[in-house]
Amino acid sequence: GAVVSQHPSRVICKSGTSVKIECRSLDFQATTMFWYRQFPKQSLMLMATSNEGSKATYEQGVEKDKFLINHASLTLSTLTVTSAHPEDSSFYICSAATRTEAFFGQGTRLTVV
Amino acid sequence: GENVEQHPSTLSVQEGDSAVIKCTYSDSASNYFPWYKQELGKGPQLIIDIRSNVGEKKDQRIAVTLNKTAKHFSLHITETQPEDSAVYFCAASWAGGYQKVTFGIGTKLQVIP
Repeated sequence: GAVVSQHPSRVICKSGTSVKIECRSLDFQATTMFWYRQFPKQSLMLMATSNEGSKATYEQGVEKDKFLINHASLTLSTLTVTSAHPEDSSFYICSAATRTEAFFGQGTRLTVV
Repeated sequence: GENVEQHPSTLSVQEGDSAVIKCTYSDSASNYFPWYKQELGKGPQLIIDIRSNVGEKKDQRIAVTLNKTAKHFSLHITETQPEDSAVYFCAASWAGGYQKVTFGIGTKLQVIP
């Protein structure tokens, strides 16, 4: 199947700093990329949807100024958690989609101390 | 929007037995139903999917059935092995242009050797 590379897999940062997570589709062009957040023992919650070259669409309750999404090309999207706080600690997962299928990255474990 | 319900939330089976996970969806426009396996600390991996124009699909020990009238779909794993232990998510989406996937809550499957 198609490969989606997400980096870093783990990151620890101090409160107040920003963290950038990258999501790349390695062997296909993604029409759309999605960012999810997953709390322990829970399902994936969609945060935002992004299309290359346009602004991301955020789900209700997700602060767009806190979770900055940049979709620079058909193979790269980034999520920046700005001014991180301990409550932002979570597992973040990206998904890259073609017109017919969606593939997931391996996830990023963010810990804010 | 779409709502996907999944049950059971946990499932324990003896090695070699079958496991069945069931899901229902609410949006009759949904026409793509993927199943994902998520191991601890990793992103979801697509294991099988089914589209609305078929009622059943099989891939070795894994099969999925779909009843569009009742809006039910199920995952069947036969001859379970310890490595099948993971969390399984069903999902539903409309594959008309991009894959905004709505997930079920997940089923934690434990295969007991």
